Amino acid sequence: DAGVIQSPRHEVTEMGQEVTLRCKPISGHNSLFWYRQTMMRGLELLIYFNNNVPIDDSGMPEDRFSAKMPNASFSTLKIQPSEPRDSAVYFCASTLGTGLGNEQFFGPGTRLTVL
Amino acid sequence: KNEVEQSPQNLTAQEGEFITINCSYSVGISALHWLQQHPGGGIVSLFMLSSGKKKHGRLIATINIQEKHSSLHITASHPRDSAVYICAVRDMDSNYQLIWGAGTKLIIKP
Repeated sequence: DAGVIQSPRHEVTEMGQEVTLRCKPISGHNSLFWYRQTMMRGLELLIYFNNNVPIDDSGMPEDRFSAKMPNASFSTLKIQPSEPRDSAVYFCASTLGTGLGNEQFFGPGTRLTVL
Repeated sequence: KNEVEQSPQNLTAQEGEFITINCSYSVGISALHWLQQHPGGGIVSLFMLSSGKKKHGRLIATINIQEKHSSLHITASHPRDSAVYICAVRDMDSNYQLIWGAGTKLIIKP
């Protein structure tokens, strides 16, 4: 398996533009997580899905952020409009099942720079 | 007080040295994860522990549930071990929420 796949790997955009980050989880995994990593705040959980359904989006910073999982093999995280403070590395991770302590497998991340 | 604390924050050692990174936590947990993040940014899951000890190559992870403490050891350290090592615990009250430590930046000099 190729592991969790994220695209793009790097994104540079101007303030106000829409940004869409993409994630393909490991085949067979039924839980998917979006994280954001910054120097100031470390790793933060934004939202997670189980069986394509959003379970907890309390980590989503504000209405400018939205995430979808239309099927088991694809998820998007959208920022509209983007702001410089959104600059961060965004990680997607997937895991099998919903049991306690399941190991999460991380994608390579998307480094977002908003100018 | 942070719920997950790692020590040291930064560690520089010579190649071949035995390395220990510590993680203490204050919440009830169902599992503890050790992850490695290289300068390029990718995150790799090293261990997931709920009790005892695990070993993979030169890496050893231990956990003491009663003392709420875990250690990550690296034997015969090598410059390629240079990375940030992150401890994360899974809060017993939530199956999904991981509480992250701030990370330990390890540099191994040749």
